[in-house]
Amino acid sequence: DTAVSQTPKYLVTQMGNDKSIKCEQNLGHDTMYWYKQDSKKFLKIMFSYNNKELIINETVPNRFSPKSPDKAHLNLHINSLELGDSAVYFCASSGRDRGRADTQYFGPGTRLTVL
Amino acid sequence: DAKTTQPTSMDCAEGRAANLPCNHSTISGNEYVYWYRQIHSQGPQYIIHGLKNNETNEMASLIITEDRKSSTLILPHATLRDTAVYYCIADGFQKLVFGTGTRLLVSP
Repeated sequence: DTAVSQTPKYLVTQMGNDKSIKCEQNLGHDTMYWYKQDSKKFLKIMFSYNNKELIINETVPNRFSPKSPDKAHLNLHINSLELGDSAVYFCASSGRDRGRADTQYFGPGTRLTVL
Repeated sequence: DAKTTQPTSMDCAEGRAANLPCNHSTISGNEYVYWYRQIHSQGPQYIIHGLKNNETNEMASLIITEDRKSSTLILPHATLRDTAVYYCIADGFQKLVFGTGTRLLVSP
C-alpha cells in the first residue's frame, strides 16, 4: 500500500507552460507539505497545509499555487514555468502533535524538467 | 530551527556499525532531534527522533549527549542498502529544515 503517492513521476515541459503535480496520502494525516530539491540536492520546504488551511508559505513565487481539495490531497499548480523550476518536487504528510513537526512521510518525488 | 553540522561524508564496511555524528549546539529545550535519510532518487525516509533520552527502534539507535548539543545516529549492522544521505534536523515549529547531510557509503 502506497502511503504518499505523487503523479506524474516525470514531467517534461516547455518554458511558459502551466502544469500540475498531484499528491495523495492514505495515512489519515492532517498535514501535508511540498518540498523542492534542486540540482545541488538542497531540500527546502515550500508549503504546508493543515486540514486544508495554508500554514507555511516559504517565500515561494506566486506562480506556485498549492490547492488542497480535502485533507488527503495537496496538489501543486505551477504557472508560466521557468528554467529554474526544474527540480524534484516531494510531497509529504504528517500527523500533528501539539503543533510540532511530527514524523513526515515522503512521496517518491516528481522530477520536473523545463526546457 | 537550530542549525546542525554534520560531516560531509563517511565510509563504513558492510556488517559494521555506522556512527553518524551531528552537532546542534544552539538547540533549544523544546526542539527534537530528527534523523532522516535519502537513498538515491527516493523521497526522504524517517529514521528516528528524540528529545533528551537515547532512543532505539528497528532501524537505528539515537544517542543524545546530556547537554543536548550533539547526537549520534548508530546503524548497528550497516548493509549496502544503507548507503544514503543522512540528515540530522533540530526541529523547530511546524517544519523540517534539511541541511546538507552526511553521505554514507557502505562498502562490501
